[in-house]
This record gives sequence, structure tokens and C-alpha cells, in this order.
Amino acid sequence: DVKVTQSSRYLVKRTGEKVFLECVQDMDHENMFWYRQDPGLGLRLIYFSYDVKMKEKGDIPEGYSVSREKKERFSLILESASTNQTSMYLCASSFSSPPYGYTFGSGTRLTVV
Amino acid sequence: AQSVTQPDIHITVSEGASLELRCNYSYGATPYLFWYVQSPGQGLQLLLKYFSGDTLVQGIKGFEAEFKRSQSSFNLRKPSVHWSDAAEYFCAVGSILSNSGNEKLTFGTGTRLTIIP
Repeated sequence: DVKVTQSSRYLVKRTGEKVFLECVQDMDHENMFWYRQDPGLGLRLIYFSYDVKMKEKGDIPEGYSVSREKKERFSLILESASTNQTSMYLCASSFSSPPYGYTFGSGTRLTVV
Repeated sequence: AQSVTQPDIHITVSEGASLELRCNYSYGATPYLFWYVQSPGQGLQLLLKYFSGDTLVQGIKGFEAEFKRSQSSFNLRKPSVHWSDAAEYFCAVGSILSNSGNEKLTFGTGTRLTIIP
């Protein structure tokens, strides 16, 4: 089975801290994605990557950046965490040829205080 | 641009009763359609998908969905729900990005399912 592993299930950070969320997949997927999930808003795409060292903005990229130095790893970076970034963050990956859909990690619940 | 509407925010059904969750999509071409389930505190798990062929699609856990082009719908059904089906369900439509050929999914806002004994 494809596994998408997110390094932390729960994180608590202080306002202004730099936060790294890590995601690793083990099935050689070309594509990787970061979403945030908030009640009533569903899943919103932050950033995605179709190849190593490549990134594209999603629907809500403000306040975030990403890094993909290796094919299996996709990191989400909050440069200066704010309380409105408290959320569930979901990483996903997929093959480049559709229609496979995405495989999701278990999520990281981030609280910024 | 594609979009997905799940009109029911929350549905409650009795254990053993039948279930139908609604999903309507907007997309100019033939869509790829997906249903995912999310148990509390977990990520999303793929239940089933449609991309061509038979419009009635079978998935895991006894779920099925029917693609109706004329109604732009892809409703999820289960004939008899179990307490373990309590979760949040997301419908998604996939589109192909013209500049890369890659797939991008757009998700609905989800339907929370509660099961009562």
C-alpha cells in the first residue's frame, strides 16, 4: 500500500515561529500536495509540486512556502506562524497520469498560540 | 473552473438504514469523480472513483456511486449503514491541467454522517 507519512500528528507553536511540516511518500509518486482543512470550508489547496524542485501556488498560498528537494519529500513552511494558521494540514501524493486520485497522509493538527 | 457542491452539511441515519449522499459538480468536459471518507482525526481514504465506462461504480466498504451526466451528479449510496460508517465524506472532481497534463482535484466541503442506534 502507498504510504504518505506526515511527521507530526499534533503541533503547538507560538506566534511568529517558523514552522516546518514534513511529508514523505514511499511509492515514487511524481505529484505532491499540501491542503489545509477547516470546518465548513473543506479542503483548500495551498501548494503543489509536479516534480523535484518544482512548485506551484494553489488557492491559498499566502503565508506559506514549500520545498521539494527530493522526489519523496515535500515540506510546508510557515515563515512566521500566526493564529489564523491554526488548522489541520493534509499532505497528499499521486502519479502524474490521471485518473488515480490522491493518497493522503493522516494529517497534522497545528495550533498556533 | 471546476467546482463541487455537497448540499448536505450533516446527515443522520439509523444503523441498518440506507444512505445516499449527494454530490453535484461543474466541469466542462467529461469529469473524473471521486468519493473520499475521513474518520475523525485521520486523513482521507479513497472510497471509489469514476472516469469512464459503467456509470455505476462499486467501491470499498460496500459503497457505490452513480454518475449521471444529465444531472451533473455523482451520489454515493450504501444499502445498509454500520456504526463504523460515521465519518465525513468528500466528493471531488478531477481535471487535467493543460500546461502539464497532470491531474488536479477540487473537493466539496464535505458531509458529516452520524449513525444512531
